[in-house]
Amino acid sequence: ETGVTQSPTHLIKTRGQQVTLRCSSQSGHNTVSWYQQALGQGPQFIFQYYREEENGRGNFPPRFSGLQFPNYSSELNVNALELDDSALYLCASSLVGDDTQYFGPGTRLTVL
Amino acid sequence: GENVEQHPSTLSVQEGDSAVIKCTYSDSASNYFPWYKQELGKRPQLIIDIRSNVGEKKDQRIAVTLNKTAKHFSLHITETQPEDSAVYFCAAYIFEEYSGAGSYQLTFGKGTKLSVIP
Repeated sequence: ETGVTQSPTHLIKTRGQQVTLRCSSQSGHNTVSWYQQALGQGPQFIFQYYREEENGRGNFPPRFSGLQFPNYSSELNVNALELDDSALYLCASSLVGDDTQYFGPGTRLTVL
Repeated sequence: GENVEQHPSTLSVQEGDSAVIKCTYSDSASNYFPWYKQELGKRPQLIIDIRSNVGEKKDQRIAVTLNKTAKHFSLHITETQPEDSAVYFCAAYIFEEYSGAGSYQLTFGKGTKLSVIP
């Protein structure tokens, strides 16, 4: 059984640019959730995907968008980057109907 | 107030002593309460979870208790070891509304930095 993986590990962007982060879910898991973790804070829910559709969204603006693919992998896209978007972005996979979420190692995004 | 409150924010204990971290939540319909351990620079790792149909769950040195009436749950670590040093997060599924729609979201506390002193 393979765990959740994310790429890239680190990323540096400048304000106004766009970024795409990737996540491969744990083997057999069909639901992916994305979280933003600012330094010294707990993870904050961005959105969840199931069956390639958004299945719940947190209090994040529309410039945060996502995709889920038929193999259950997922992307997080952020447009018009702002300095406050600097954070660790975590994805977590789970099975629909099972509350347990397993996290990937995260992507550290720095916006200059 | 916050939907999931966690206390204390920092906790120092001597090796071998017990550590207790407490959380309260706002949504009486919440029914799943996980605890995650996050070491510096690493992913949050699920260490134990509890569902609302039980009041206590134990796994070796780690236990979680839940009081649904009072809407609080606690993590207990006994016989602490230096490798227990990390940030611990509690979480609960909380119903949140956004742009006219709503969903249950896994909502985290702000974390407790546990230091176990050898």
